[in-house]
Amino acid sequence: QVQLVQSGAEVKKPGASVKVSCKASGYTFTGYYMHWVRQAPGQGLEWMGWINPNSGGTNYAQKFQGRVTMTRDTSISTAYMELSRLRSDDTAVYYCARDRAEVVRGGGSHWGQGTLVTVSS
Amino acid sequence: IQLTQSPSSLSASVGDRVTITCRASQGISSYLAWYQQKPGKAPKLLIYAASTLQSGVPSRFSGSGSGTDFTLTISSLQPEDFATYYCQQLNSYPFTFGGGTKVEIK
Repeated sequence: QVQLVQSGAEVKKPGASVKVSCKASGYTFTGYYMHWVRQAPGQGLEWMGWINPNSGGTNYAQKFQGRVTMTRDTSISTAYMELSRLRSDDTAVYYCARDRAEVVRGGGSHWGQGTLVTVSS
Repeated sequence: IQLTQSPSSLSASVGDRVTITCRASQGISSYLAWYQQKPGKAPKLLIYAASTLQSGVPSRFSGSGSGTDFTLTISSLQPEDFATYYCQQLNSYPFTFGGGTKVEIK
């Protein structure tokens, strides 16, 4: 069965960077886009961007351009999301979500368990 | 594209029919998904392409609409349906979410 397992919680200081991993199993990793979505405490969902694990191509929400980098390592079926120049309002749970279909507009059908990133001095 | 969900919260009883609406600030064809999220859990995909039920989702959930106006209907609310529901548009970047609708027990 499809599984996405994310790395553990992180505590970072303002200005630092964080890199969250998302290890996929149960399907062909390179066959489906991977989205990243975050959720601040008590708030709604916010789409950050996607990576095409096959080509490495990315599309980032303008809000995060210049601060976010999404990469992948196909040899270990793992996607990564790195966010730099962290601020207190980046405190959130970060999710990876595999697209439902072999296209980028299918919606997130399988989600990781989430990674809490806390930014605090 | 902004998505406006209404209501932002509602109280309902088991067995009630519940309807949640999602309005897009511009046309998005049928590129709309609905999710259910329970506290402390990741979202779960319920509906994609506005009206197609995701595999394994109970048939009491249904979606409709195209263009700018969409609805999610739960035909007979069950205890496990008390959660927050989000719509997401996948027509134009960024793939925005609605603000959410919290369904609570009356």
